[in-house]
Amino acid sequence: SQQGEEDPQALSIQEGENATMNCSYKTSINNLQWYRQNSGRGLVHLILIRSNEREKHSGRLRVTLDTSKKSSSLLITASRAADTASYFCATELIQGAQKLVFGQGTRLTINP
Amino acid sequence: DGGITQSPKYLFRKEGQNVTLSCEQNLNHDAMYWYRQDPGQGLRLIYYSQIVNDFQKGDIAEGYSVSREKKESFPLTVTSAQKNPTAFYLCASSIRQYREKLFFGSGTQLSVL
Repeated sequence: SQQGEEDPQALSIQEGENATMNCSYKTSINNLQWYRQNSGRGLVHLILIRSNEREKHSGRLRVTLDTSKKSSSLLITASRAADTASYFCATELIQGAQKLVFGQGTRLTINP
Repeated sequence: DGGITQSPKYLFRKEGQNVTLSCEQNLNHDAMYWYRQDPGQGLRLIYYSQIVNDFQKGDIAEGYSVSREKKESFPLTVTSAQKNPTAFYLCASSIRQYREKLFFGSGTQLSVL
């Protein structure tokens, strides 16, 4: 089973609408990060939220973290065609070997 | 411009052949990583290095080897022992291991002839 699982696996919305993606994880974390990947390209870091933080904003991005539910959400407001990409959450585990575990991603399509 | 450079962008491997993927960074980062991505999947860690001349296996190290002779360089060799090498390979770096964000290269697509 995955440490980080995104939901939904795919999301298609109209330009201008808001997009919400969720990430659930199983074990305690130091931080949780969100990344974007355009098709055939490398990942680009969007935002990092630490385990003692509940919400962070960056431009049109809003990330929340609920450690009691072991879940995070990424909200993109006023979506644009250029937001079309895959979005991944990555969790840094506290226990065991120090590593960053990526989920399988949410594929977001913004329709003009 | 600072960043991570991966080469080549596309690579083809014949049966029984070893191939090496290049990764160079000029960000002065201590930590470097290699990830494998299969279609529609997340990233799986192959190897990582925190300092020069030191590296550790990740979750799927079998069939791969690395070296870290210089801070700037972290090449990955896909050996003939890796029976299913077709994938998108991503190199990344960070200032320190995982405490901060990762910077990624643009990837190498490896295919088997």
